[in-house]
Amino acid sequence: ETGVTQTPRHLVMGMTNKKSLKCEQHLGHNAMYWYKQSAKKPLELMFVYNFKEQTENNSVPSRFSPECPNSSHLFLHLHTLQPEDSALYLCASSQDRDFYEQYFGPGTRLTVT
Amino acid sequence: AQKVTQAQTEISVVEKEDVTLDCVYETRDTTYYLFWYKQPPSGELVFLIRRNSFDEQNEISGRYSWNFQKSTSSFNFTITASQVVDSAVYFCALSERNAGNMLTFGGGTRLMVKP
Repeated sequence: ETGVTQTPRHLVMGMTNKKSLKCEQHLGHNAMYWYKQSAKKPLELMFVYNFKEQTENNSVPSRFSPECPNSSHLFLHLHTLQPEDSALYLCASSQDRDFYEQYFGPGTRLTVT
Repeated sequence: AQKVTQAQTEISVVEKEDVTLDCVYETRDTTYYLFWYKQPPSGELVFLIRRNSFDEQNEISGRYSWNFQKSTSSFNFTITASQVVDSAVYFCALSERNAGNMLTFGGGTRLMVKP
């Protein structure tokens, strides 16, 4: 089974919609991450969860709301997004947040119309 | 100032050529890690290597090799005898203890290997 999976792979939503991105890791890791990758910008860390507790919120607007019900699952709830939020959203996991390499999922390509 | 700089935004080579991707980092931490990731067109970042700041020994893995030099704050990546399947965007990243061990990525280098 692939280590980190993300669904959906592609999502088109209007600015008034509410949707959720899902990430699942099968690696037994304790830390999970959300990143945003926009065209011509470095990867931006959004949120970090370590042992289900949020440890980082990198000044992300409140229209993005993460949820981590257990160490294997991570969600990103989206509501009233803006067109500039269109990007590739990548989920990653690592043993814990202490220097270990992160393993990434394939990402969700989000388009906000 | 950028903490991780990949000055080459795009490189194009012909198959079987050797190619080196440059990475320069900036940190005041004495304890840090450096990483390389590959992002093929499918989008998923694939972990390639992790090096800690106390180990400057170069590493070779098949056609891949890495040259870590603290004196120049560089962690360069060489692909020997490149293949079309090596075409991807390659990211260098830094993790510092004083920054909560979070990964800071460079801007990436797009490598195109032509047959």
